[in-house]
Amino acid sequence: AQTVTQSQPEMSVQEAETVTLSCTYDTSENNYYLFWYKQPPSRQMILVIRQEAYKQQNATENRFSVNFQKAAKSFSLKISDSQLGDTAMYFCAFAHGSGNTGKLIFGQGTTLQVKP
Amino acid sequence: EPEVTQTPSHQVTQMGQEVILRCVPISNHLYFYWYRQILGQKVEFLVSFYNNEISEKSEIFDDQFSVERPDGSNFTLKIRSTKLEDSAMYFCASSPRPLSSGANVLTFGAGSRLTVL
Repeated sequence: AQTVTQSQPEMSVQEAETVTLSCTYDTSENNYYLFWYKQPPSRQMILVIRQEAYKQQNATENRFSVNFQKAAKSFSLKISDSQLGDTAMYFCAFAHGSGNTGKLIFGQGTTLQVKP
Repeated sequence: EPEVTQTPSHQVTQMGQEVILRCVPISNHLYFYWYRQILGQKVEFLVSFYNNEISEKSEIFDDQFSVERPDGSNFTLKIRSTKLEDSAMYFCASSPRPLSSGANVLTFGAGSRLTVL
């Protein structure tokens, strides 16, 4: 069974600095998707970034980028120029690539606090 | 920007009572989902729904749970006889295409907090 592990329960970063959140996963599949979701205090889950496993190039969305290491099954999120609004719980998630009916497998989450 | 709307935002109920959580997915979306998050724990998949049928359900989604799309806009989750352990945040999500179609992602609602006393 697929598992997703986030080994950092809590992290903090100073405003304007860079922080990296770790995520590892376990799968025997070759085709899958990986996601980072943000859950601010308002509780709504917001997609931050996604990565298709077949793409070697790391995904980037403005200040957010990933370091996808397929062989190591690692999918870390880098937040550059951290802002106070980045304070949230961040979840890494895995999805099967074929025949997926919408099932995302989430990690335990990392609480990120951005300090002024 | 279109969003998934969930009601109620918070419901308190007595153990053994029936609860219906409501969701209005994004209007052109065809695939619907429920997830739950027990306080302090990870988000867990409950069920996916397409074409008026359950596509997949998890082991959590036992006989006390059911889903329905009673009209063209609402998607509901019913818990027949609530237990203390059903206390959680329940998230509805929708997508225009299957997750495996490549470019697709799920859009989540803000959640409904259920407290069972």
